[in-house]
Amino acid sequence: AQSVTQLDSQVPVFEEAPVELRCNYSSSVSVYLFWYVQYPNQGLQLLLKYLSGSTLVESINGFEAEFNKSQTSFHLRKPSVHISDTAEYFCAVSVGGDTGRRALTFGSGTRLQVQP
Amino acid sequence: GAVVSQHPSRVICKSGTSVKIECRSLDFQATTMFWYRQFPKQSLMLMATSNEGSKATYEQGVEKDKFLINHASLTLSTLTVTSAHPEDSSFYICSARGTDRALFFGSGTQLSVL
Repeated sequence: AQSVTQLDSQVPVFEEAPVELRCNYSSSVSVYLFWYVQYPNQGLQLLLKYLSGSTLVESINGFEAEFNKSQTSFHLRKPSVHISDTAEYFCAVSVGGDTGRRALTFGSGTRLQVQP
Repeated sequence: GAVVSQHPSRVICKSGTSVKIECRSLDFQATTMFWYRQFPKQSLMLMATSNEGSKATYEQGVEKDKFLINHASLTLSTLTVTSAHPEDSSFYICSARGTDRALFFGSGTQLSVL
């Protein structure tokens, strides 16, 4: 079975500073990797995903994540954060080769707190 | 992008009553939908996998007689919490898989059982 580890439960950072949210996974087979964001009092939204191809994936709001197979990591980064990026971020994995019937396994989440 | 609609967003009920939560995929067909539960300050835990036209698959520890799932069509799945108790109070989220394998989530239902 696969698992996802997000070591940092909270990450405080000042506005315009860079940030990295760590995510490591374990799986004996190939995986698809995702980052979801949950803003206060809202549901989950897909931020970005890695399915295949380029190991560096980007979102429209400046976040990027790099799939590192040797380190089994999919860390999320942003060079300059905004107050509006304050949210809970979840890393998730889905086993590769799935037919669309597999659920996601989530990490425990990282609370990004951007301070002015 | 794909849209998943979930209703109601918030429900308060008395202990012992049943509550139905609906999850609809608005612009795509979803043969499989998933139901998650999220306790405060914790991650999402998969409760069950809802398959259109067949019985749901429940995760270990989830009572199938308490959390009834119906997936009657390719765009609708319902979760009914039967005889709800205060310990069932939680945030319930449904999701459906789009064509690119990413899951799209409903906005969630905050259930409070008094």
